[in-house]
Amino acid sequence: GAGVSQSPSNKVTEKGKDVELRCDPISGHTALYWYRQRLGQGLEFLIYFQGNSAPDKSGLPSDRFSAERTGESVSTLTIQRTQQEDSAVYLCASSQWTENYGYTFGSGTRLTVV
Amino acid sequence: AQSVTQLGSHVSVSEGALVLLRCNYSSSVPPYLFWYVQYPNQGLQLLLKYTTGATLVKGINGFEAEFKKSETSFHLTKPSAHMSDAAEYFCAVSAPNTGNQFYFGTGTSLTVIP
Repeated sequence: GAGVSQSPSNKVTEKGKDVELRCDPISGHTALYWYRQRLGQGLEFLIYFQGNSAPDKSGLPSDRFSAERTGESVSTLTIQRTQQEDSAVYLCASSQWTENYGYTFGSGTRLTVV
Repeated sequence: AQSVTQLGSHVSVSEGALVLLRCNYSSSVPPYLFWYVQYPNQGLQLLLKYTTGATLVKGINGFEAEFKKSETSFHLTKPSAHMSDAAEYFCAVSAPNTGNQFYFGTGTSLTVIP
């Protein structure tokens, strides 16, 4: 597609429920990233996929968070047993392999845990 | 390791005045540097980037930034602020050959006063 697509754009869920967020990167972009942005704060790195290499999961805040990506296609971020502190905008970005291209971000999924 | 510091979480300028948003970085290798802008309720958009070559880079919407190695800085400027420039601005650094991960600053919120 022309840009990075994320769905849903908004999600309200009850505390304790599981949620799944989807990211469809730009075709041909081998690298995909998930970031979290809490209200009024900067971007918090969560996880990074590069091609078929093992993902860098060093930013995942707890074992309730997981992400999958098959090849260079869609990625899903799953949050199990959601907590109120999980409320944030979850941003996905993709890029070409070479670092100097920069990221292209999706518009994000705004998650609200009530 | 790489890191970014953005001085001033909030900056206010009058319409038509100079915009200066500060960014200092730390990198163990020559960095790639980026500025992103986030308009309300939108995703992040690449403003400009420095990789190699000319240290003064020009971006969209009249913004520019200068890479100063001796000062480890990459400040963002615009000669004359416009109301439409009101947004959140993020500085980011990446290092070549380190897996393409970007490190973001905590952001600077720019307010333009009419």
